[in-house]
Amino acid sequence: EAGVAQSPRYKIIEKRQSVAFWCNPISGHATLYWYQQILGQGPKLLIQFQNNGVVDDSQLPKDRFSAERLKGVDSTLKIQPAKLEDSAVYLCASSLGDRGEKLFFGSGTQLSVL
Amino acid sequence: QKEVEQDPGPLSVPEGAIVSLNCTYSNSAFQYFMWYRQYSRKGPELLMYTYSSGNKEDGRFTAQVDKSSKYISLFIRDSQPSDSATYLCAMSGNFNKFYFGSGTKLNVKP
Repeated sequence: EAGVAQSPRYKIIEKRQSVAFWCNPISGHATLYWYQQILGQGPKLLIQFQNNGVVDDSQLPKDRFSAERLKGVDSTLKIQPAKLEDSAVYLCASSLGDRGEKLFFGSGTQLSVL
Repeated sequence: QKEVEQDPGPLSVPEGAIVSLNCTYSNSAFQYFMWYRQYSRKGPELLMYTYSSGNKEDGRFTAQVDKSSKYISLFIRDSQPSDSATYLCAMSGNFNKFYFGSGTKLNVKP
């Protein structure tokens, strides 16, 4: 079974530029998550989708971050404009969607904002 | 108060030692408990999954949950240099939302 696919693996941009990350969850997984992980910290939830709909985006900085999930499958996360403090690993994860289901992560995108 | 507390380490042990990693939590609604292993520049990998209280063993790994004390542990027996990684605890409750510790960095010296 294929895992959660993410791209790109690494991205270096200048501040105020824009960047986009892509995620393809495990087939059949209804719930998709985007997390931000700063070095030395645990993952912080940015946004949670259930199929096409947003379940939780309370910690998404909506003035600069946006995300969408196309047809309830793939998802993109965009940052525009990027700030220095956005340097982090962006992790996509998915689960079947029911209570107690396991959470599986992709390899992440390492973003450096210079 | 954070939902999940985890000692960040780093924890350094000799090869072959027994390692004990721990997390405490505050929300009594948590029922599902996970341990993830994260190698440098990689995504977290699900290592152990436990429902409610009790023990679960998988090879050299044992996960323990004590819901009365709101305390979970991961034990690694006969630790190997390949176990060197950051270990994240995670938990969830009635909703499909996950809460993570900050991770403990483990170094197993040959």
